Amino acid sequence: QQQVKQSPQSLIVQKGGISIINCAYENTAFDYFPWYQQFPGKGPALLIAIRPDVSEKKEGRFTISFNKSAKQFSLHIMDSQPGDSATYFCAASIEIGGSYIPTFGRGTSLIVHP
Amino acid sequence: KAGVTQTPRYLIKTRGQQVTLSCSPISGHRSVSWYQQTPGQGLQFLFEYFSETQRNKGNFPGRFSGRQFSNSRSEMNVSTLELGDSALYLCASSLSRAAGVDTEAFFGQGTRLTVV
Repeated sequence: QQQVKQSPQSLIVQKGGISIINCAYENTAFDYFPWYQQFPGKGPALLIAIRPDVSEKKEGRFTISFNKSAKQFSLHIMDSQPGDSATYFCAASIEIGGSYIPTFGRGTSLIVHP
Repeated sequence: KAGVTQTPRYLIKTRGQQVTLSCSPISGHRSVSWYQQTPGQGLQFLFEYFSETQRNKGNFPGRFSGRQFSNSRSEMNVSTLELGDSALYLCASSLSRAAGVDTEAFFGQGTRLTVV
């Protein structure tokens, strides 16, 4: 059972364009939503995260939009650059025993053409 | 500041064998989590340790186990290896809670395990 659905699976954009990755979740108990960026041969790195009491969070060129009623959230990458080419994972975390345990989406492979 | 170190980086094992993977967290980090990454299932949480105690475990069979030492270093063990255990095993460390709201989890580069 896939609790976090991520789309699209792959995305190609031109330099300077906007990259949009969407995620949907089912469990309303999730209360922390991070996005990770992973380059080939590297482990994932936290990019940006949001809590459900906020509808939008922006850090530089990266923005998370969160729709609690629809149980959806998305990552927007403005002015996409070739260096942004990587795999992006959304996650939804639930607190269990004092720790936040993530459930990840399947990932989106982003390619930004120069 | 050194990052999360996982050893070995690559490993080839035969079906039925067992394997031990090692993770050295960032200095001062007390929480260590393990994840399995495969093309078919994506990233899946295995277990989390804090102060030498397993605090949470994902939905994996008992063949997958782990432990944490007093210096926060962690090992995970997989016994009776199956072909489907071939994956990238990632370790992440954080100051306290794993991937918590205010505590970032830092991932290592992973150990690529191939079972033949």
